[in-house]
Amino acid sequence: EAGVTQFPSHSVIEKGQTVTLRCDPISGHDNLYWYRRVMGKEIKFLLHFVKESKQDESGMPNNRFLAERTGGTYSTLKVQPAELEDSGVYFCASSNTGANVLTFGAGSRLTVL
Amino acid sequence: DQQVKQNSPSLSVQEGRISILNCDYTNSMFDYFLWYKKYPAEGPTFLISISSIKDKNEDGRFTVFLNKSAKHLSLHIVPSQPGDSAVYFCAASNGGSQGNLIFGKGTKLSVKP
Repeated sequence: EAGVTQFPSHSVIEKGQTVTLRCDPISGHDNLYWYRRVMGKEIKFLLHFVKESKQDESGMPNNRFLAERTGGTYSTLKVQPAELEDSGVYFCASSNTGANVLTFGAGSRLTVL
Repeated sequence: DQQVKQNSPSLSVQEGRISILNCDYTNSMFDYFLWYKKYPAEGPTFLISISSIKDKNEDGRFTVFLNKSAKHLSLHIVPSQPGDSAVYFCAASNGGSQGNLIFGKGTKLSVKP
């Protein structure tokens, strides 16, 4: 069984540019989550999809961040325009319905210069 | 304000000895607790969990203890092995926010041969 796949593994962009991160969850997992870790800090929740619907987006920092999960399969997280403080590692995770344990991807490291 | 705290950023232990990683939480509504292990350039990997109705859960070399009155949990690894060297994250959730895990900042464990 393939795990959670994230792309790109690392992205370096300039302030003001746009970046789109992609996450492919484990096949059949209805729950998909985005988390972010800024260097040395805790891993913070961003949002939660159940299939294609946003169940909880209380962790999204501001309206420069847009997450989608069309068709309830893969998800994208777009940052537009990127700011310096957006730098960090963005993790995607997925789980089955009713499961408390999340399976994480390897993360997408974003560096904004 | 951090709801899950891991006050030791690092811990060094000799191979074969016990490693004890600590975690404190403030939210009495948390009812499920998890430990994740993270190697560099990889995503967090689930290690062990415990429900708030229990005070101990054991899986091989790993045991998690929960003290609800003190709002404290700990992860014991015995015997410690060099391959256990990683960053360990404590996480908590409540049943009403499935998957919205609240993480601590992590403790970097180094097991020396």
